[in-house]
Amino acid sequence: QKEVEQNSGPLSVPEGAIASLNCTYSDRGSQSFFWYRQYSGKSPELIMFIYSNGDKEDGRFTAQLNKASQYVSLLIRDSQPSDSATYLCAPRGSNYKLTFGKGTLLTVNP
Amino acid sequence: EAGVTQFPSHSVIEKGQTVTLRCDPISGHDNLYWYRRVMGKEIKFLLHFVKESKQDESGMPNNRFLAERTGGTYSTLKVQPAELEDSGVYFCASSRHTSGTKYYEQYFGPGTRLTVT
Repeated sequence: QKEVEQNSGPLSVPEGAIASLNCTYSDRGSQSFFWYRQYSGKSPELIMFIYSNGDKEDGRFTAQLNKASQYVSLLIRDSQPSDSATYLCAPRGSNYKLTFGKGTLLTVNP
Repeated sequence: EAGVTQFPSHSVIEKGQTVTLRCDPISGHDNLYWYRRVMGKEIKFLLHFVKESKQDESGMPNNRFLAERTGGTYSTLKVQPAELEDSGVYFCASSRHTSGTKYYEQYFGPGTRLTVT
């Protein structure tokens, strides 16, 4: 079992739709969870983080966490073409290091 | 506030040569991390500094890799001698851990693309 698994994608949604990105993780000791966006050839850009079970909203982004199910997700509302990128899920363990998934490539079609 | 900076942005070297990568963290960030992404794989942790001390170097592939952070400011990652499998993108990240925070979010630099031929 991989440490962090993300829906393989690519995921294609029309402009204005909701994009749903999913992630499961194996380390039950993971303490906080980060979503990074990475444009092709660029560095990961932090867009959301969540610590507690439930939902956390920031603008068009909502992160959802269910520690019992070891599941974290990212919803992007009103998707824009500029949201087209690879989204990386990264739980943080007690030792502070991030463990990344392979990422999900999202394409938002105008 | 300036972000994490890395130098060089690209490096092409021959197998057996030495390369040194540099990372300057965000000012005031005591924690510095190195990660690497080889082609087709996920980003992998290499090591973590707290100020000038190595907190965790469990991800370092072998003893050809040497990381330093003299004075707790910038960090260097030296690969000597380089092998073909060392090719990839090396990212540096930094974070600030202060009382009352719990996320310790890490901000990434632009990366150094290393190609070993």
